[in-house]
Amino acid sequence: GAVVSQHPSRVICKSGTSVKIECRSLDFQATTMFWYRQFPKQSLMLMATSNEGSKATYEQGVEKDKFLINHASLTLSTLTVTSAHPEDSSFYICSVKRGRALHNEQFFGPGTRLTVL
Amino acid sequence: GENVEQHPSTLSVQEGDSAVIKCTYSDSASNYFPWYKQELGKGPQLIIDIRSNVGEKKDQRIAVTLNKTAKHFSLHITETQPEDSAVYFCAASRPQAAGNKLTFGGGTRVLVKP
Repeated sequence: GAVVSQHPSRVICKSGTSVKIECRSLDFQATTMFWYRQFPKQSLMLMATSNEGSKATYEQGVEKDKFLINHASLTLSTLTVTSAHPEDSSFYICSVKRGRALHNEQFFGPGTRLTVL
Repeated sequence: GENVEQHPSTLSVQEGDSAVIKCTYSDSASNYFPWYKQELGKGPQLIIDIRSNVGEKKDQRIAVTLNKTAKHFSLHITETQPEDSAVYFCAASRPQAAGNKLTFGGGTRVLVKP
């Protein structure tokens, strides 16, 4: 497997503020990371694909100006929720794809619970 | 794009019995099919996966089967234990050139009764 960490694990913020979530690959270099959002009792929905050194690719319907993604190194990707509102409250999970191999395995972080008041 | 259907949405079994979860996918180009277990408040954990060049794969009490012709794959858990209680997700992925994005099924909430 792979070891993936996220920070913070839980955050509560006021409406209108911005929140940054970090995703780290601890035991290998990840050229590609993915960001998902999961609402209660629902499946994981891919928000964007984060590629090291290039702009993220966003899924249809995901506002790139609201969900800023930065993948500045092979071990760190960040998701910033700008001007958060209560409807942004969700469980945000990142995953990492192992290296540049043809394998498809994705390993997930522990998730970040965002609550916007 | 890819569409993955998962059934059942909930599954209650007696400890020691077997549990079977089934998924169907729509994109015949998909070639990688992982299964994830997600416990409450945690991220999904990869428990087993299968590629399109294999029909069956087993790891201790867990097995996965794949029928490419019918475009469906299944997860089998034998001798279930209370710690198997969780939400299980199937997923499908196309080859690397297509970005390796995973498309998830809707999830199955498994409850193992002691």
